[in-house]
Amino acid sequence: GNSVTQMEGPVTLSEEAFLTINCTYTATGYPSLFWYVQYPGEGLQLLLKATKADDKGSNKGFEATYRKETTSFHLEKGSVQVSDSAVYFCAPPIHQAGTALIFGKGTTLSVSS
Amino acid sequence: GAGVSQSPRYKVAKRGQDVALRCDPISGHVSLFWYQQALGQGPEFLTYFQNEAQLDKSGLPSDRFFAERPEGSVSTLKIQRTQQEDSAVYLCASSLEGRTYNSPLHFGNGTRLTVT
Repeated sequence: GNSVTQMEGPVTLSEEAFLTINCTYTATGYPSLFWYVQYPGEGLQLLLKATKADDKGSNKGFEATYRKETTSFHLEKGSVQVSDSAVYFCAPPIHQAGTALIFGKGTTLSVSS
Repeated sequence: GAGVSQSPRYKVAKRGQDVALRCDPISGHVSLFWYQQALGQGPEFLTYFQNEAQLDKSGLPSDRFFAERPEGSVSTLKIQRTQQEDSAVYLCASSLEGRTYNSPLHFGNGTRLTVT
């Protein structure tokens, strides 16, 4: 099956700082890739996705570009806010069939004002 | 319902007891997934249903773990003879279709199981 390696945290930033969370994966073919986020006290939710190579997913000011040549899907945001404090998970499919997802270990982001 | 509902939210079991965890997916969602999340880790896949069919149970850690979805909606994850290493948050997710690239996973808030 596929695998994922995600940058370990915690990441501590000041408001308006630039954020990068690295994610690399190994996979058969070119599966869709996802970032999920877990805000304090809430369930996991989809943040963004990219369904094919060279696609850029974006949502809430976050972006991630599907780079097939480096098998990476790094998450970026130009100016973080306190409300972005959460745990972020990179998630490719477990298998090429594209059903269940495999999740990285998660990166905790803490933003202070 | 508005989202995926899991019950109970918290469960404390003595070692050796059996437990049953319930998941009510979003109405009409075809796919249902169970994950186990240990403290400080990402969710680990346990099993996957498409309607009532259990298509993948490769993540179940032992034969003490059993899941069912008899009518293609509500699902139950059962753990027999619980052990301390079973302590974790058990997450249920559902999606509208069978392929993740077409429809995202919607997660419940989980059941936190503590085995003493």
